[in-house]
Amino acid sequence: DVKVTQSSRYLVKRTGEKVFLECVQDMDHENMFWYRQDPGLGLRLIYFSYDVKMKEKGDIPEGYSVSREKKERFSLILESASTNQTSMYLCASTPGLGIYEQYFGPGTRLTVT
Amino acid sequence: AQSVTQLGSHVSVSEGALVLLRCNYSSSVPPYLFWYVQYPNQGLQLLLKYTTGATLVKGINGFEAEFKKSETSFHLTKPSAHMSDAAEYFCAVTRSSGTYKYIFGTGTRLKVLA
Repeated sequence: DVKVTQSSRYLVKRTGEKVFLECVQDMDHENMFWYRQDPGLGLRLIYFSYDVKMKEKGDIPEGYSVSREKKERFSLILESASTNQTSMYLCASTPGLGIYEQYFGPGTRLTVT
Repeated sequence: AQSVTQLGSHVSVSEGALVLLRCNYSSSVPPYLFWYVQYPNQGLQLLLKYTTGATLVKGINGFEAEFKKSETSFHLTKPSAHMSDAAEYFCAVTRSSGTYKYIFGTGTRLKVLA
């Protein structure tokens, strides 16, 4: 079974803090994704990575950056957290694109106060 | 551009009744379609997917969906709802090449009444 793990299930941070969300997958998948999930808005893509050190901006990259130094690990960074970044963050991975479904982690619920 | 519309953000059914969750998509090229389920405080889990071939797709937990190109729909059904089906369901679309984007609907929360 593919396993995608996220470093924290719940996180509370203060405005202005630098926040790191970590995601690790154990199935040697090429592609990894970070999504933000908000009620009524579904899942919105923040960043996508197709290889180590390779990334593409998604639909809402502002205020976020990412790092992929190893194939299995994809980190989402909030450089200076703001209250409007309070949300559920989901990491996903796939072995390829199109025909392949995404495998999701359990999510990190981030609250910025 | 591709898009997904899920009609009904909340759906309630009685235990044992038919479950019907609606998904319509827009795509200028043949789509690949997915249904995911999300239980409280968990990530998304694949229920089923359509890529090519048979238009009636069977998934886990007794769910199935039918791809209807003429109606641009991919509705999810289950003949008899169970209490454990209470969750949020997401429809998603992508295409065969040239994109890394999976477009998700806004979700439908299913409530099962005893």
